[in-house]
Amino acid sequence: EAGVAQSPRYKIIEKRQSVAFWCNPISGHATLYWYQQILGQGPKLLIQFQNNGVVDDSQLPKDRFSAERLKGVDSTLKIQPAKLEDSAVYLCASSLVPFTNSGANVLTFGAGSRLTVL
Amino acid sequence: TQLLEQSPQFLSIQEGENLTVYCNSSSVFSSLQWYRQEPGEGPVLLVTVVTGGEVKKLKRLTFQFGDARKDSSLHITAAQPGDTGLYLCAGLSIQGAQKLVFGQGTRLTINP
Repeated sequence: EAGVAQSPRYKIIEKRQSVAFWCNPISGHATLYWYQQILGQGPKLLIQFQNNGVVDDSQLPKDRFSAERLKGVDSTLKIQPAKLEDSAVYLCASSLVPFTNSGANVLTFGAGSRLTVL
Repeated sequence: TQLLEQSPQFLSIQEGENLTVYCNSSSVFSSLQWYRQEPGEGPVLLVTVVTGGEVKKLKRLTFQFGDARKDSSLHITAAQPGDTGLYLCAGLSIQGAQKLVFGQGTRLTINP
């Protein structure tokens, strides 16, 4: 099956500019996640969607970050205006269902979009 | 906030040696996953452990979940250059919303 597709793979912008990342999850996966991975750190969850509804956005800096998942399929993550500390890899992941205590869920990640803010 | 601490952060060894990577927390997790991430790619799931004390083997990799479900270890026997990568542990929170919390990773280099 096709994996999680993300674009662009690389983006360089100056601070205060805006940027948008796109994600196409695995077909049929109801749950979609956006993670931020700063160099040298593990991924940090920014937002989780179940179909087109937001399940968790507690760590999303809402003054500058926004995300949507229209029609419960593709998703976009936008940053406006960007700051230097936003330089990171933005990973999109999807799973068939949300996590449960069974531990049976498989989270599939895309290759990520690397953002450099100058 | 639930935190996962991985150690060591960096490890460079020779091909054929054995190694262990640790993942520790003061919090209890309902399950724990291990991922491997290569440069320019997203993390790939290696294993999920659910039961305290559980041991799972994946060829030369052995994963263990602590009895109290607060810690885990990954042991690699006879490491090979193909094992090089960033190893991430991730715990599924037991409180509130089901959220996967990642450790900071262990960057492993196996030298030929």
